[in-house]
Amino acid sequence: EAGVAQSPRYKIIEKRQSVAFWCNPISGHATLYWYQQILGQGPKLLIQFQNNGVVDDSQLPKDRFSAERLKGVDSTLKIQPAKLEDSAVYLCASSLRVGVEDTQYFGPGTRLTVL
Amino acid sequence: AQSVTQLDSQVPVFEEAPVELRCNYSSSVSVYLFWYVQYPNQGLQLLLKYLSGSTLVKGINGFEAEFNKSQTSFHLRKPSVHISDTAEYFCAVTYTGGFKTIFGAGTRLFVKA
Repeated sequence: EAGVAQSPRYKIIEKRQSVAFWCNPISGHATLYWYQQILGQGPKLLIQFQNNGVVDDSQLPKDRFSAERLKGVDSTLKIQPAKLEDSAVYLCASSLRVGVEDTQYFGPGTRLTVL
Repeated sequence: AQSVTQLDSQVPVFEEAPVELRCNYSSSVSVYLFWYVQYPNQGLQLLLKYLSGSTLVKGINGFEAEFNKSQTSFHLRKPSVHISDTAEYFCAVTYTGGFKTIFGAGTRLFVKA
């Protein structure tokens, strides 16, 4: 089965510019997660969707970050405007069921560099 | 506050030697525990998980971990490592109170010939 797809793999932008990342989860997976992984740190959950509804976005900086999951499949994460501290790898993951004990499958990530 | 601590940022070890990667977490509620591995230029993948039952959990590639509730630890072990085990390993804890998953900062395992 195909894994979690993410694009682009790399992105370099200047501060105050906008950027968007795309994620296509594993087919049939109800839950989708976006994580931010800053160099030297573990992934930090930004937002979790169940189908097309938001389950948890408590750590999403809503003044500049937004995410949507239209039709409960693909998802887009946007940053507008970007700051230097947004430089990180953005990971998308999906899981089959709603239960938190379910295994999360991760995509390869998008490495963002903000200059 | 909920937190996950991986006590070693880097662990160098010789091939065929045993290894233990340590993970401790803060807890006042029930938890689910996970270890993920991230090979160079690849995404994270699940090594093993503890949900309930036996405290010794076996995972892929010969790894195992033991849940110790009294010490709030979930250390990862392998009796004999290979060069191919060189990777970064992340401990993750899902707190059932708020169903949020928190990752540790990671331990970079470097296996030397």
